[in-house]
Amino acid sequence: DVKVTQSSRYLVKRTGEKVFLECVQDMDHENMFWYRQDPGLGLRLIYFSYDVKMKEKGDIPEGYSVSREKKERFSLILESASTNQTSMYLCASSRRGAGQETQYFGPGTRLLVL
Amino acid sequence: SQQGEEDPQALSIQEGENATMNCSYKTSINNLQWYRQNSGRGLVHLILIRSNEREKHSGRLRVTLDTSKKSSSLLITASRAADTASYFCAAQGGSEKLVFGKGTKLTVNP
Repeated sequence: DVKVTQSSRYLVKRTGEKVFLECVQDMDHENMFWYRQDPGLGLRLIYFSYDVKMKEKGDIPEGYSVSREKKERFSLILESASTNQTSMYLCASSRRGAGQETQYFGPGTRLLVL
Repeated sequence: SQQGEEDPQALSIQEGENATMNCSYKTSINNLQWYRQNSGRGLVHLILIRSNEREKHSGRLRVTLDTSKKSSSLLITASRAADTASYFCAAQGGSEKLVFGKGTKLTVNP
């Protein structure tokens, strides 16, 4: 079974702090994704990566950056956390190519910025 | 750019009844997927239907796709209390990305 793990289930940070959210997958997937989920807004794509050191902006990249130094690990960075970044963050991975489109999700990190 | 939109936003039924959720999307797709999310957890893939398919079954799940209307429906038959969750459709166009809807919250009462 595919396993996607996220470094924390719950996180509390202060405004202005630099925040790192880590995601690791164990199935050698090429694609990795970061979403945020807010009530009434569904899932919105922040960034995704289709290969090591490659990244593309999603729908809401402002205030975030990402890092993918190894294939299995995709990090989301909040350079200076703000209260409007309080949210549920979900990481996902998938294989590349037709017939491999299913995304596998981690359990999520619920971030509270005070 | 939300592409999938589910309807209804919330649905409450009794155990044993069928639950139907609908999804509309805006542009052409390669496939449409349905995911389930238990409260406060990650999403789990349920079923994928390709743009050249009209209907697909998996256990108690039945998915239909009407590309002319840009819509899909998910039917859960003989629902159980354990089916209580949020259900999301996700549309995939020409890239690796999925565009998710806002979800339908299903409550199955024992």
